[in-house]
Amino acid sequence: GNSVTQMEGPVTLSEEAFLTINCTYTATGYPSLFWYVQYPGEGLQLLLKATKADDKGSNKGFEATYRKETTSFHLEKGSVQVSDSAVYFCALHHSGSARQLTFGSGTQLTVLP
Amino acid sequence: KAGVTQTPRYLIKTRGQQVTLSCSPISGHRSVSWYQQTPGQGLQFLFEYFSETQRNKGNFPGRFSGRQFSNSRSEMNVSTLELGDSALYLCASSAFEGDEQYFGPGTRLTVT
Repeated sequence: GNSVTQMEGPVTLSEEAFLTINCTYTATGYPSLFWYVQYPGEGLQLLLKATKADDKGSNKGFEATYRKETTSFHLEKGSVQVSDSAVYFCALHHSGSARQLTFGSGTQLTVLP
Repeated sequence: KAGVTQTPRYLIKTRGQQVTLSCSPISGHRSVSWYQQTPGQGLQFLFEYFSETQRNKGNFPGRFSGRQFSNSRSEMNVSTLELGDSALYLCASSAFEGDEQYFGPGTRLTVT
């Protein structure tokens, strides 16, 4: 079946540091890949997505590239801010599974001033 | 456009009771999905409704059920509540085209 493996957290960085959160997936065919972010006490917000191999999703300084050969979709940001502190979820949607998303376990990011 | 709304935001119930949660999708979205989020199990898919029909169901017992109305609003019901049902229940909507899901703020259910 489909699965998503995410880098274990928590991750603590200083402001302006470089961020990488690793995400790998297992799925047949060509799933769509997503990163969602969850701030304390809130629901999930779609951060970025990629729908096919070599696509790069980007938003608010975050980027992730769909790598079919390594089945990965790592999240990166060149310079994090305190306001980026949140939980980040990698997810996949397989075209044959209606609207069901399969999520990774989430990575807690804390950015210190 | 207004986002996905969920009511109530917080709920406290006792074991054995039942509960109904409500979700209003983004205007024009016809698909509504429900997820359960717990610290131990993470985010798990419950079910998806499209045009009043359940299209997909996750691995949850029959105590968990749902429905969708003609205006795309959805409700989920949990009967005979157990302590383990304490969780954040998230609703997400998506348009017919594409597969992006947009989440509401969730309903925090506590079972005592």
